[in-house]
Amino acid sequence: AQSVTQLGSHVSVSEGALVLLRCNYSSSVPPYLFWYVQYPNQGLQLLLKYTTGATLVKGINGFEAEFKKSETSFHLTKPSAHMSDAAEYFCAVSEWETSGSRLTFGEGTQLTVNP
Amino acid sequence: DGGITQSPKYLFRKEGQNVTLSCEQNLNHDAMYWYRQDPGQGLRLIYYSQIVNDFQKGDIAEGYSVSREKKESFPLTVTSAQKNPTAFYLCASRTGTSVYEQYFGPGTRLTVT
Repeated sequence: AQSVTQLGSHVSVSEGALVLLRCNYSSSVPPYLFWYVQYPNQGLQLLLKYTTGATLVKGINGFEAEFKKSETSFHLTKPSAHMSDAAEYFCAVSEWETSGSRLTFGEGTQLTVNP
Repeated sequence: DGGITQSPKYLFRKEGQNVTLSCEQNLNHDAMYWYRQDPGQGLRLIYYSQIVNDFQKGDIAEGYSVSREKKESFPLTVTSAQKNPTAFYLCASRTGTSVYEQYFGPGTRLTVT
């Protein structure tokens, strides 16, 4: 079964600083990878996804992520943090079973942006 | 507007009572999912359904039940057998042609005392 590890349950940055949220996965097959964002008491919103092709993926709100197969990583970055980026971020990997597809999520990283 | 509706947003129940959480989607998606979210534990899959009248257990199905009688509806019942039912519950759906990405509802926060 696939698994996802997000390094750092809490990350704090200053407004305008680089945001780097780390995600490593394990998968026995080429993975499809996702980053979701969750604001307090809300559902998850898809930020970006990697399926095939270009390994640098751009998403919404200025975020991007790079798929590195050799490192089994899919880290999320944003050059300049904004106060509105404060939220919880989840990395996920897809998994296909005979009963259908499912996502396996990491435990999440809470991003705090300081003024 | 197309989307996923979960109701109610907040739900309170006494211990020992069964409670049903609603999930409706008008996206014409084939697959639907239920997750439980607890602080620091990410999302854990309870049940999922790829087509009407069929569903599979996820990783933490004990104490929960579901039905899928209509394509747009996937209600979750939290039974009295669930030892720690207080949590945030999220419903999601996926179109049959997408590369596995799921779309989420706004969630229901269940508190059992």
